[in-house]
Amino acid sequence: TQLLEQSPQFLSIQEGENLTVYCNSSSVFSSLQWYRQEPGEGPVLLVTVVTGGEVKKLKRLTFQFGDARKDSSLHITAAQPGDTGLYLCAGPNAGNMLTFGGGTRLMVKP
Amino acid sequence: DAGITQSPRHKVTETGTPVTLRCHQTENHRYMYWYRQDPGHGLRLIHYSYGVKDTDKGEVSDGYSVSRSKTEDFLLTLESATSSQTSVYFCAISRTSGSTDTQYFGPGTRLTVL
Repeated sequence: TQLLEQSPQFLSIQEGENLTVYCNSSSVFSSLQWYRQEPGEGPVLLVTVVTGGEVKKLKRLTFQFGDARKDSSLHITAAQPGDTGLYLCAGPNAGNMLTFGGGTRLMVKP
Repeated sequence: DAGITQSPRHKVTETGTPVTLRCHQTENHRYMYWYRQDPGHGLRLIHYSYGVKDTDKGEVSDGYSVSRSKTEDFLLTLESATSSQTSVYFCAISRTSGSTDTQYFGPGTRLTVL
């Protein structure tokens, strides 16, 4: 089973600050996904990165897939309270299954 | 929105009682999944299904069984609930776009076993 480790586990910052969340593995993944989960809801896909070195931007969120396809990062610029939530990375496993990281719980204070 | 509903949304039960959680989808997806979510563990796969009456175990399947008699319904059963099964349970479906599979999740069921 391929494992994904996320860091940090918890992050509490002030509105306007920048932050980076990491997702690391010792295994190579064909792609990695990032999901965001708000309280009381299921995770929702933010982005899929499929090419080593790929960078994708979603407004103030920047996602990067490592050159070796073993890691990914999520950078948020000028965080807002609406960014608060649990961020999960996930990679495909055998068949149509996903392996999830343990998640990073982000709180952005106004 | 992938048309996934879960019932019940909340349940409190006692140790030793059977519990069944239901996942219903409206879009005829082949793959369905049951996960549990606990603090610090992200999402862990319990069981999954790749068609009617076709199911297989995930990484944390002990104490759980599943059934899929219709494409749209995937049931998760705890035969004899234990306190360690207190968790939030999510159902998901898989939708393929190009070469990428994306999972869409239901709203979750919060289960408390006393």
